[in-house]
Amino acid sequence: NAGVTQTPKFQVLKTGQSMTLQCAQDMNHEYMSWYRQDPGMGLRLIHYSVGAGITDQGEVPNGYNVSRSTTEDFPLRLLSAAPSQTSVYFCASQPGQASKAFFGQGTRLTVV
Amino acid sequence: AQTVTQSQPEMSVQEAETVTLSCTYDTSESNYYLFWYKQPPSRQMILVIRQEAYKQQNATENRFSVNFQKAAKSFSLKISDSQLGDTAMYFCAFINYGGSQGNLIFGKGTKLSVKP
Repeated sequence: NAGVTQTPKFQVLKTGQSMTLQCAQDMNHEYMSWYRQDPGMGLRLIHYSVGAGITDQGEVPNGYNVSRSTTEDFPLRLLSAAPSQTSVYFCASQPGQASKAFFGQGTRLTVV
Repeated sequence: AQTVTQSQPEMSVQEAETVTLSCTYDTSESNYYLFWYKQPPSRQMILVIRQEAYKQQNATENRFSVNFQKAAKSFSLKISDSQLGDTAMYFCAFINYGGSQGNLIFGKGTKLSVKP
């Protein structure tokens, strides 16, 4: 009963490094999204996907790339990490447009 | 712009008492769903309750209930018989439906502490 799986749970990067946060779901959900959570800011949408091969930008997309080659996977790429990207990142999936969202456990990323 | 406002950054309540968390939202759409999510220290996002905007009846889930006022765009969460395990961040959120985008829009959260 995996649901939404995010890896890694914790990561420390140096400024300028790149990395990929992995997200996989086994519920055959069409909708997937990435959020970042910062203190006092709630969760803000980075990128989302309405199905394999289709992605779009959310509220705070700068510095991040996504792709959706399969229904199951929706990785988030940090191209050149900056201290401003220090945050907790959540991946979520939904079975339909206005359905309950299932969240991963989150990734705490620190950029030094 | 679509926004969610939670006006109480922090609240506290005594165990077994009742507490109400406030939420207002702004959308020009008429079809949407509203949610309350709980985030305990474990960081996991847990759905507490969901309300369909077209329903007049307020949703309830055990000790959790909402007061949904569509005209006022208000969606408060009432927690009855508060328990220590209710200590968490609570986020109000909504999704519009009917158009092409179905993404959750969150408030900034209310940190609730339940005291013994």
